[in-house]
Amino acid sequence: AQTVTQSQPEMSVQEAETVTLSCTYDTSESNYYLFWYKQPPSRQMILVIRQEAYKQQNATENRFSVNFQKAAKSFSLKISDSQLGDTAMYFCAFLLRDAGNMLTFGGGTRLMVKP
Amino acid sequence: NAGVTQTPKFRVLKTGQSMTLLCAQDMNHEYMYWYRQDPGMGLRLIHYSVGEGTTAKGEVPDGYNVSRLKKQNFLLGLESAAPSQTSVYFCASRLTGAYNEQFFGPGTRLTVL
Repeated sequence: AQTVTQSQPEMSVQEAETVTLSCTYDTSESNYYLFWYKQPPSRQMILVIRQEAYKQQNATENRFSVNFQKAAKSFSLKISDSQLGDTAMYFCAFLLRDAGNMLTFGGGTRLMVKP
Repeated sequence: NAGVTQTPKFRVLKTGQSMTLLCAQDMNHEYMYWYRQDPGMGLRLIHYSVGEGTTAKGEVPDGYNVSRLKKQNFLLGLESAAPSQTSVYFCASRLTGAYNEQFFGPGTRLTVL
């Protein structure tokens, strides 16, 4: 079974600064996908960014980028130029390529962006 | 498109009561999922469906049943609610293809007294 660990229950950052959220996972498989989801106070789950394990290039979506270290099984999320609207819970998630039915989520990191 | 909708948004049950949560999607997605989210935890998969008329167990299926009689609807049933089933329930759907994004509904907050 796969496990996903987010070791930072809570973090805070000043508006306009950069913050990095950590995620590690454990799997014996080589083909998989990794995701970061954002859950604001509205509870809606929103996909932020995704990474295919076979791609060495780190994914980027505007102010959001990842540092994917496959050997270390690490998948951190960097948020640049933090905005107040980035305040939310952030979940890291893992999906096996050939069993694409079960997203395994980490426990989440609560991010607070301060003005 | 409304995307993924869930009915109801809130519900309070007494122990032993039954209820059904309805998930509907208008995106013609093949896959549908039911998750639960407990305080301080990520989402855990209860049941899922890869198409009309098919369902399968996820990580935490005990105490729940599901049905997918129509492609656009996925129902989650609690036959005899227990306090341990107090949680926020999310439905999601996606197109075929493992890489495709799962689209989530707004959630249903269920309290079992």
